[in-house]
Amino acid sequence: EAQVTQNPRYLITVTGKKLTVTCSQNMNHEYMSWYRQDPGLGLRQIYYSMNVEVTDKGDVPEGYKVSRKEKRNFPLILESPSPNQTSLYFCASSLRPRGGPAGTDTQYFGPGTRLTVL
Amino acid sequence: ILNVEQSPQSLHVQEGDSTNFTCSFPSSNFYALHWYRWETAKSPEALFVMTLNGDEKKKGRISATLNTKEGYSYLYIKGSQPEDSATYLCAPTFDGTASKLTFGTGTRLQVTL
Repeated sequence: EAQVTQNPRYLITVTGKKLTVTCSQNMNHEYMSWYRQDPGLGLRQIYYSMNVEVTDKGDVPEGYKVSRKEKRNFPLILESPSPNQTSLYFCASSLRPRGGPAGTDTQYFGPGTRLTVL
Repeated sequence: ILNVEQSPQSLHVQEGDSTNFTCSFPSSNFYALHWYRWETAKSPEALFVMTLNGDEKKKGRISATLNTKEGYSYLYIKGSQPEDSATYLCAPTFDGTASKLTFGTGTRLQVTL
């Protein structure tokens, strides 16, 4: 089954304790992104990657790191989590458009990771 | 950060009612507009993607239109059903080289019997 998986789905941690949220897709997609969702705000992009070893900052990258060593995986790393990073996180992937209009690739979202930082 | 607005913020309708909501976005540097449906405790799922001014898309009872010149899109649901209850997100992209969507805050629709 084509899907985007995230782990863990729920995590409660304490300030300063490094953590990694994994994201994996089995659709051979080039593009992958991380978003956070907070009440009253839309999904905000943290980082995105256009291909292996190619990553770039989204709108809210502070406090996060990512890596893209393999096409299928795009982990999100919080080196020193803080309470303001308590949020619902989504990973998404999409296929680079081939011949079609730019920006039309459909993003497929993972199930989400609810993170609480105490 | 580009401003994408959706209205209303929430909507409560009865089964069988038809409804519509709006997504407004800056019209310059526009490439495409995506609509997503997000049910509680699930992940967002794609409904439509539109690019051209005047585009109309339809999927069952749900349809959408696009006006790129004035920067808005409407989503219509005909004969709402309880299973249509969800948050509907719009996301234009202003970057044609990567999947960099700017999401609105969504319209939360609740359909009751």
